[in-house]
Amino acid sequence: EAGVAQSPRYKIIEKRQSVAFWCNPISGHATLYWYQQILGQGPKLLIQFQNNGVVDDSQLPKDRFSAERLKGVDSTLKIQPAKLEDSAVYLCASSLDRTATIPGEQYFGPGTRLTVT
Amino acid sequence: RKEVEQDPGPFNVPEGATVAFNCTYSNSASQSFFWYRQDCRKEPKLLMSVYSSGNEDGRFTAQLNRASQYISLLIRDSKLSDSATYLCVSERSSYKLIFGSGTRLLVRP
Repeated sequence: EAGVAQSPRYKIIEKRQSVAFWCNPISGHATLYWYQQILGQGPKLLIQFQNNGVVDDSQLPKDRFSAERLKGVDSTLKIQPAKLEDSAVYLCASSLDRTATIPGEQYFGPGTRLTVT
Repeated sequence: RKEVEQDPGPFNVPEGATVAFNCTYSNSASQSFFWYRQDCRKEPKLLMSVYSSGNEDGRFTAQLNRASQYISLLIRDSKLSDSATYLCVSERSSYKLIFGSGTRLLVRP
């Protein structure tokens, strides 16, 4: 079974530039998550989709971050304009319907390592 | 105060040792708890769930104490391959996971 795919794996941009990340979840997974992991910290949820609807975006900095999940499959996360403090690994995860999986089990992609200079 | 707090370590132990990690959580409404493992520069992966009755999986034992709001992970007979960061995780409603900052374990030969 193919895992969660993310691209690009690495990205270096200057502050005030824009950047976009792409995620393809495991086939059949209805729920998709975007996390930000700053060095030395645990992942922090930015946004959660159930199919193509937003379940939770309370920690998404909406003045600069946006995300969409068209057709309930792939998703993109965009930052515009980027700040130095956005340097982090951006992880995408997906999970099955609650009744069909181990509670709490989310499958993570390899992440995109963003450096803002 | 962070919702899930862990000792960052590192815990440096010899092969074969027993090591225990604790974490505390502040949100009494948290419903479920888990330990995830994250290898260096890799993505997190679910290690095991944590139940009040205790949960054992081979050399790993997890325990939840709701009264004191802490979670523990015990690793027996440590292997070199156990070297990683262990993330304590609580789950709120709607499958929202709250991650601690992780405890780093180094197992030396």
